[in-house]
Amino acid sequence: ETGVTQTPRHLVMGMTNKKSLKCEQHLGHNAMYWYKQSAKKPLELMFVYSLEERVENNSVPSRFSPECPNSSHLFLHLHTLQPEDSALYLCASSQELLTGAQYYEQYFGPGTRLTVT
Amino acid sequence: DAKTTQPPSMDCAEGRAANLPCNHSTISGNEYVYWYRQIHSQGPQYIIHGLKNNETNEMASLIITEDRKSSTLILPHATLRDTAVYYCIVRLSPANQAGTALIFGKGTTLSVSS
Repeated sequence: ETGVTQTPRHLVMGMTNKKSLKCEQHLGHNAMYWYKQSAKKPLELMFVYSLEERVENNSVPSRFSPECPNSSHLFLHLHTLQPEDSALYLCASSQELLTGAQYYEQYFGPGTRLTVT
Repeated sequence: DAKTTQPPSMDCAEGRAANLPCNHSTISGNEYVYWYRQIHSQGPQYIIHGLKNNETNEMASLIITEDRKSSTLILPHATLRDTAVYYCIVRLSPANQAGTALIFGKGTTLSVSS
């Protein structure tokens, strides 16, 4: 496997279900991200992890719960979702330097298409 | 909120240069301009970034005006596979800050036709 992988690619769940999205990066990066892309809306940042610690949470509802057990894996746990949560959920990773003025591009996975019924 | 303005859509003939404009009139001195694109049903893909000087890589060229208030992404020989949504993003260089994320706007939908 190379780059950033996400599983499953498609998920249909009821509002009372509990499911998890998985992201794995094979690039040796130290930062990982969850984005949400709803139909006809820009990508929205949900969570940022750097060195396995959450550094940003953009006021995401508590029915979304992220987990970053190590620098290569990122999960998004879902419970009691609403139909408006149906969207493409994208994971990304980057190698962020903690000092100095360097930036490395973010690499995105293919996304998980989530449908809440 | 996104700090950039892009036209919602553009058309380009295959083999011709595609010039995608972006306005970022409120850009500050230490903010970079980045371009990503998203092909339908895929995750965004990094293209190029720059601060003041023009930049070129194997995918595209980035022309930044002297006042840095606008820029143009140039795909020199567009192909059908370049049909995508192109995002222009302004972002701080993350000195002493890790995990700074991208703020996406609505982008420009580029349609390349034969």
